[in-house]
Amino acid sequence: DGGITQSPKYLFRKEGQNVTLSCEQNLNHDAMYWYRQDPGQGLRLIYYSQIVNDFQKGDIAEGYSVSREKKESFPLTVTSAQKNPTAFYLCASSMLDNYGYTFGSGTRLTVV
Amino acid sequence: GQSLEQPSEVTAVEGAIVQINCTYQTSGFYGLSWYQQHDGGAPTFLSYNGLDGLEETGRFSSFLSRSDSYGYLLLQELQMKDSASYFCAVRDLLAHNSGGYQKVTFGIGTKLQVIP
Repeated sequence: DGGITQSPKYLFRKEGQNVTLSCEQNLNHDAMYWYRQDPGQGLRLIYYSQIVNDFQKGDIAEGYSVSREKKESFPLTVTSAQKNPTAFYLCASSMLDNYGYTFGSGTRLTVV
Repeated sequence: GQSLEQPSEVTAVEGAIVQINCTYQTSGFYGLSWYQQHDGGAPTFLSYNGLDGLEETGRFSSFLSRSDSYGYLLLQELQMKDSASYFCAVRDLLAHNSGGYQKVTFGIGTKLQVIP
């Protein structure tokens, strides 16, 4: 079955450490996205990518970095520069002309 | 910029009908989507309205009025499993060097509780 996989489901890191969240899709979708979800704030766009080797900043890109070396993969690195990294991170994908996103099951990151 | 407003919480009785409203402000409105998210889970796409009117998918319907910058999600024959958060999301055309990207901005979500 096609889908989008995020790993790990839960992640704990010490403050000051970089951490990379994995996102893989086998839906042959062109576009991929990273969102952050905090209680009471909905989903906020971190980065998005429409094609391989190209990505753009979203609304809250500071302290994050991404790469898109393969169509199937869009990893997100939470750097030590992100001041409040504890959150639920959601990866999504879509075709360029499709109005519905497919989301992964999310990674809950806790920084202590 | 974009902004969306939807109620934070709604409670309804099993078997009843509930309507979740969404009003929006955008500079380049293109369409309105709805997503369902159960606690701790991933959002799942429910519906999309690009034109005015009603779209029906089983027990769920979604409505859009572009002139009023308003839409709603209607859930009929409520079931306990419908207890979840429901997000409206605006698709907005953003000018970008790559030729234009239709950004999706999500509302804060409406937590629906279905009671027996």
